[in-house]
Formats: sequence, C-alpha cells, structure tokens
Amino acid sequence: AQSVTQLDSQVPVFEEAPVELRCNYSSSVSVYLFWYVQYPNQGLQLLLKYLSGSTLVKGINGFEAEFNKSQTSFHLRKPSVHISDTAEYFCAVSDRVTGRRALTFGSGTRLQVQP
Amino acid sequence: SAVISQKPSRDICQRGTSLTIQCQVDSQVTMMFWYRQQPGQSLTLIATANQGSEATYESGFVIDKFPISRPNLTFSTLTVSNMSPEDSSIYLCSVEGDRGPYNEQFFGPGTRLTVL
Repeated sequence: AQSVTQLDSQVPVFEEAPVELRCNYSSSVSVYLFWYVQYPNQGLQLLLKYLSGSTLVKGINGFEAEFNKSQTSFHLRKPSVHISDTAEYFCAVSDRVTGRRALTFGSGTRLQVQP
Repeated sequence: SAVISQKPSRDICQRGTSLTIQCQVDSQVTMMFWYRQQPGQSLTLIATANQGSEATYESGFVIDKFPISRPNLTFSTLTVSNMSPEDSSIYLCSVEGDRGPYNEQFFGPGTRLTVL
C-alpha cells in the first residue's frame, strides 16, 4: 500500500518570493513520483515527474523538485513565484514494481500568491 | 499527449436518480481511470477500465453504484447510480498512453456533480 502526505494544506506567499511545497510518501515498493497542478475550475496538469536518473527534476513554469530516497520526500520548489501560480498542487505516486499504474494522491496544498 | 473531453461538464441532480458521465479521448489508449474529488479533498481512484475486460474497482467502490463501460479504446462512461448528496463531487477520467515503461497520465477537465 502507498500513501502520500502533503504537510501543508495552505501556503501563503508574496509575489517574487521563493516557495517550497512539501511531500512525503510511504510505500513498500519503489515508486514513480509526480506533481500535478490544478488551477481554479480546471483539470489537472502535470508539472513534473521523477521516473529515474537525476534526483533533481525540472518541470514547467519554473518549478523543480528533488527526490530524496532516504527521507522518502519529493518537495516542490520555485525560486520566485507569480500571481498566476496560485493554484492547488498535488503530489502523487505510482507503483513501479507491480505495474499498478493508477496514482495515489496527497491531500493537496493550496498555494496563495499575494501581491 | 492526449486530449480528453468529458460530458457533461457539470450537472445538478435529484437524490435517487442516476447520471452517466462520458469520457472521450483523441487517441487510442489501453488504460483509463476514473477518479473522484470530493469538495476540498484530494483525488481518490474509483476504478481502472481497460478495453475488453471488466473494470477493476478500488476498496469502497462497487459496480452496482458506479457501473463503467469501456466499449472501445477511445471512450468510457461512468454512471453514478441512485445518487445521494454524498456523491456530490468532481469526477475525472484520466488516461495513460502505451509508449515506454511509463507514460504520463492525462486528465480530463472533470464533471462537477451536485446532488440535492
């Protein structure tokens, strides 16, 4: 079984400030890791994914995340946020061993960028 | 990439009725998934629907309540049966392509259901 914990339900931040959204996972098997963004009244869009290789993953819109196997974390970061980054962000995992392809999501973090 | 459309985009339904949600993909895909996002909550997988086989339901979801059809590689439907206010949620379908060891999952825009 897998679980994903997003430690912050809401993160308020001022425009042009850096931000980190935290994600920890628990799994008995090796996993793939993802961050999705959901803008108001829109569907989910993939920000970035970690499948293998370099633990620092760069995604769209200037976001990046670092996979830390020892800490079972996959925190999302952006050095300077914009008002347009205001959205709900979901961390997700899928099983890379058994072939189960469905995603297990965290509870989400609402990023609120203030002017 | 895959472009996914869902119908209806939203609906308001009466308790005890049923609603069928359609999911259309612009390319052929093997695996389709149906998720539910309750108000203020994260996404929860309802079932996995592969063409040519019965859908596989997650714990807490049953076929009688959420029957799924998958008649071909580009289309699926999810029915929410005998609805109650607790079924008020956003229902999303997603697909995964068939390339490589793992491919990105693409999500539809969702169907926002309100049950009175």
